[in-house]
Amino acid sequence: QVRLQESGPGLVKPSETLSLTCSFSGGSISSYYWTWIRQSPGKGLEWLAYIHVSGVTNYNPSFKSRVTISLDTSGSQFSLKLSSVTDADTAVYYCASIFWSGHPFIESWGQGTRVTVSS
Amino acid sequence: DIQMTQSPSSLPASVGDRVTITCRASEYVSSYLNWYQQKPGKAPKVLIFAASKLLSGVPSRFSGSGSGTDFTLTISSLQPEDFATYYCHQSYSTPYTFGQGTRLEIK
Repeated sequence: QVRLQESGPGLVKPSETLSLTCSFSGGSISSYYWTWIRQSPGKGLEWLAYIHVSGVTNYNPSFKSRVTISLDTSGSQFSLKLSSVTDADTAVYYCASIFWSGHPFIESWGQGTRVTVSS
Repeated sequence: DIQMTQSPSSLPASVGDRVTITCRASEYVSSYLNWYQQKPGKAPKVLIFAASKLLSGVPSRFSGSGSGTDFTLTISSLQPEDFATYYCHQSYSTPYTFGQGTRLEIK
């Protein structure tokens, strides 16, 4: 099973860009879709985006053009950028792997990283 | 977006009880419905995918059923380690969406 670990700043100022990286191991990069999900008390679990090594990406329209996901195929990492953050973006951010065997599900999750938006 | 509504939001129960959690989708999701368990301070963990398929290693006291818009997660005999929050998740269409969670608590 894939192991994942998030890294990045725990504090971001309003209007700035939140940048997180996920390092993964134990699975083939092409066997999964790589995704970001966040969790906050107010909004619960929210799916942000996913990416596949084939180049396929999919974004949650709720975040409009604020979100960018990218995959480093050589370094076993993928990243999230969320621009123009507000306090509503304060949440625990998880990176995860989607296993797509006809019925996709989120097979493995990182431990999560808490990000606070505050000046 | 497809809205996922779970009931109840909280469920007091005792060890040995049989409990059922319901998840209703605002639109048809076929059997693209997954269930996760989350304990405090931890990431969610998948229990059931495709509405009724138990992930390898998950105890057989967990079961899922349903198709279309109405789904259930049943725990046949609650164990102490089952007290947690449970979420349903639709992967039929993007944006993927989750239920608000059902907190299973000790009565």
